[in-house]
Amino acid sequence: GAGVSQSPSNKVTEKGKDVELRCDPISGHTALYWYRQSLGQGLEFLIYFQGNSAPDKSGLPSDRFSAERTGGSVSTLTIQRTQQEDSAVYLCASSLWGHNTGELFFGEGSRLTVL
Amino acid sequence: SQQGEEDPQALSIQEGENATMNCSYKTSINNLQWYRQNSGRGLVHLILIRSNEREKHSGRLRVTLDTSKKSSSLLITASRAADTASYFCATAEDNYGQNFVFGPGTRLSVLP
Repeated sequence: GAGVSQSPSNKVTEKGKDVELRCDPISGHTALYWYRQSLGQGLEFLIYFQGNSAPDKSGLPSDRFSAERTGGSVSTLTIQRTQQEDSAVYLCASSLWGHNTGELFFGEGSRLTVL
Repeated sequence: SQQGEEDPQALSIQEGENATMNCSYKTSINNLQWYRQNSGRGLVHLILIRSNEREKHSGRLRVTLDTSKKSSSLLITASRAADTASYFCATAEDNYGQNFVFGPGTRLSVLP
């Protein structure tokens, strides 16, 4: 597609349920990032994928969070047993080159609300 | 302060005035980028300045980088109401690390 696509745009769930957030990066981009943004705050790094290399998971806040990237393209961020503090906007970004050398292209985000 | 911290946190100006936002960081960097975020939207890349550059222009935007002070500034000239948004700096460490570090942002309001 023309840009980074994320789905769903909005998700309301009950505490304790699992959620999956999807990111479809720009075709040909080798790098993919997930960030979390709480209301009125900056971006918190979660995880980074670069080509076929092992992902950098250093930003995942707990073992309830996991992500995968299939075929070097689409990525899914999974949050198990959601908690109210997981409520935030989850932003995905892709980049043509990895290793911080180029600009990031962001999706519109998935707003997660945990009741 | 955290890496990539913007200053001020909020800025309110009249249309036509210039807006200046600052970013400070702690580590050596490969490059520094500025992004804009309209309310409820994703971030949009504005400009990238490399560690060996001191100033860069793009339209009404002017970015400076002072690596000795570990700081950068973003100047928006002749501001418009449509410039109202949050502005973030993002730093990329020079060890080709895999992470961009974003600051908390500056919320700019341009009043008509």
